[in-house]
Amino acid sequence: ILNVEQSPQSLHVQEGDSTNFTCSFPSSNFYALHWYRWETAKSPEALFVMTLNGDEKKKGRISATLNTKEGYSYLYIKGSQPEDSATYLCASPAGGANNLFFGTGTRLTVIP
Amino acid sequence: NAGVTQTPKFRILKIGQSMTLQCTQDMNHNYMYWYRQDPGMGLKLIYYSVGAGITDKGEVPNGYNVSRSTTEDFPLRLELAAPSQTSVYFCASSYSGATSGGRIDTQYFGPGTRLTVL
Repeated sequence: ILNVEQSPQSLHVQEGDSTNFTCSFPSSNFYALHWYRWETAKSPEALFVMTLNGDEKKKGRISATLNTKEGYSYLYIKGSQPEDSATYLCASPAGGANNLFFGTGTRLTVIP
Repeated sequence: NAGVTQTPKFRILKIGQSMTLQCTQDMNHNYMYWYRQDPGMGLKLIYYSVGAGITDKGEVPNGYNVSRSTTEDFPLRLELAAPSQTSVYFCASSYSGATSGGRIDTQYFGPGTRLTVL
């Protein structure tokens, strides 16, 4: 079983603040790192898939970086808005297995 | 396209009852997955399938069975429901190549089924 860990567990920020959170994963046998956004009462939706060390992805105000050598990825949200309130999940496949192991998520609440 | 659909949305079962959670996708995806989500525990993989006729266990398969007779459908069967199976169940699918497997391809999730076993 692959240990994918996320921190913090939850986060409250004011509207307009920028924020970031962390996903850590074992650096050996790295294959890919996924970020998903999960709004309450909806299903998880993909944000990014990252495969290369040093990779940086961006989607609007949300961006992510990847460090495969030290085993972490950061997700950044610039100028948080109430609609950014969601749980952000990261996931990584285990070695040669054809499936993803998910972290427990970071629950973000943006206060208007 | 409807994407990934799941039925039912909610269900209450008594201990020992059985039921089938239905999952259908219309994206012609070869890979399909079943997850359960418990509070504070994240998504745990129950079973997955890489194509019609092929299924494999995930992290938490005990108490469940699956089948994949068509590309579109991937039902999850609970034979003897137990309170420990109270959870929210998500079905997902992806289109994955032979070399990458399900490791880099985006998974598309259904809306979930909330199951309570009393």
